Amino acid sequence: KAGVTQTPRYLIKTRGQQVTLSCSPISGHRSVSWYQQTPGQGLQFLFEYFSETQRNKGNFPGRFSGRQFSNSRSEMNVSTLELGDSALYLCASSFSSPYGYTFGSGTRLTVV
Amino acid sequence: QQQVKQSPQSLIVQKGGISIINCAYENTAFDYFPWYQQFPGKGPALLIAIRPDVSEKKEGRFTISFNKSAKQFSLHIMDSQPGDSATYFCAASVIQGAQKLVFGQGTRLTINP
Repeated sequence: KAGVTQTPRYLIKTRGQQVTLSCSPISGHRSVSWYQQTPGQGLQFLFEYFSETQRNKGNFPGRFSGRQFSNSRSEMNVSTLELGDSALYLCASSFSSPYGYTFGSGTRLTVV
Repeated sequence: QQQVKQSPQSLIVQKGGISIINCAYENTAFDYFPWYQQFPGKGPALLIAIRPDVSEKKEGRFTISFNKSAKQFSLHIMDSQPGDSATYFCAASVIQGAQKLVFGQGTRLTINP
């Protein structure tokens, strides 16, 4: 079966711009979570959506937002990009969070 | 209290040896403890997970040992192979309320042939 698909794989943006990342979960998975991975901070939770509702949110500024569509696909948006937002952004899906997360390969965002 | 502390940061083991990675937590509400394996350029992949009602769980060459009183758990990789070279993350969560996974900082494991 198809895994979690994240697009694009790589992005280079300029400070101050905004960016939208996309995640298509495994078919049948209704929970989608987003994590930021950096060498210094490791894996940090951004937010989790289930049936189009945000159920949980991490300690990130309001510039980070997300949404989930009726087909369970999810997007996250980062506005007014800062250099420190450079990271690997990972999406994970599951039938029931946090059991059995399946992660995508991530989107590597570089802010210059 | 939400932290999960993982050690060591890096580990080198000879082929055929036992790799051991340790994690400790503070939040006694945690009741789900998975381990993830991540190769370069890939997302983490679930290896094995344990609930606190058992002290050990084995799947193939991978074993989780869990010590509830010490609030510690560890991953043992038996007969380590070069293909096991990857970064390993422990994590913890509270099942009720669909809580987030809290990850350890990761251990870069290298298996020398």
